[in-house]
Amino acid sequence: DTAVSQTPKYLVTQMGNDKSIKCEQNLGHDTMYWYKQDSKKFLKIMFSYNNKELIINETVPNRFSPKSPDKAHLNLHINSLELGDSAVYFCASSQAPSIAKNIQYFGAGTRLSVL
Amino acid sequence: AQTVTQSQPEMSVQEAETVTLSCTYDTSESDYYLFWYKQPPSRQMILVIRQEAYKQQNATENRFSVNFQKAAKSFSLKISDSQLGDAAMYFCAYRSVQGAQKLVFGQGTRLTINP
Repeated sequence: DTAVSQTPKYLVTQMGNDKSIKCEQNLGHDTMYWYKQDSKKFLKIMFSYNNKELIINETVPNRFSPKSPDKAHLNLHINSLELGDSAVYFCASSQAPSIAKNIQYFGAGTRLSVL
Repeated sequence: AQTVTQSQPEMSVQEAETVTLSCTYDTSESDYYLFWYKQPPSRQMILVIRQEAYKQQNATENRFSVNFQKAAKSFSLKISDSQLGDAAMYFCAYRSVQGAQKLVFGQGTRLTINP
């Protein structure tokens, strides 16, 4: 069973469209994250939720909105897609921040291509 | 804010040889965690090894070991007996013990294994 699963793996869409990426973890973790990997392979945190509460919100355009319906799911919705949004988006999960030794486990990534 | 620097964009090594990947970081915190993640062509982010800053002993996982120099803020990864399957992008990452605990990544080093 995949521990952290993202769907879809690939997403090709036109500029201006709205799209969502879904993430689910079956590890029983409390905390989930979204990272963006750009064309130069640089990875940067976007958002994090702990037990459905937003705890990290980096400088990300308002067009990006995370939603956590429950602890096991963290979805990423993107409005009005732009060319610069093309990237690989990774979901990750870990135990709660209060557990100092927690490790982040990553999904396989979603490659978003905006045409 | 913490920063992580990997000064080697690319490295190559002969199969069965040893290679060391460099990583330096900047922080004012005294307690933190450091990680090496591997990203093969499949895109999956895989944890290779973890080091707690309060531990003087260098972490080891089979053929992978680190040289952690806290005063110098250096955290290099040594891969012994390199195998073809080790070919990947390697990312060094920093995580605070306190707060929301996002991972701060370096730029990555692409490792090629020559048969």
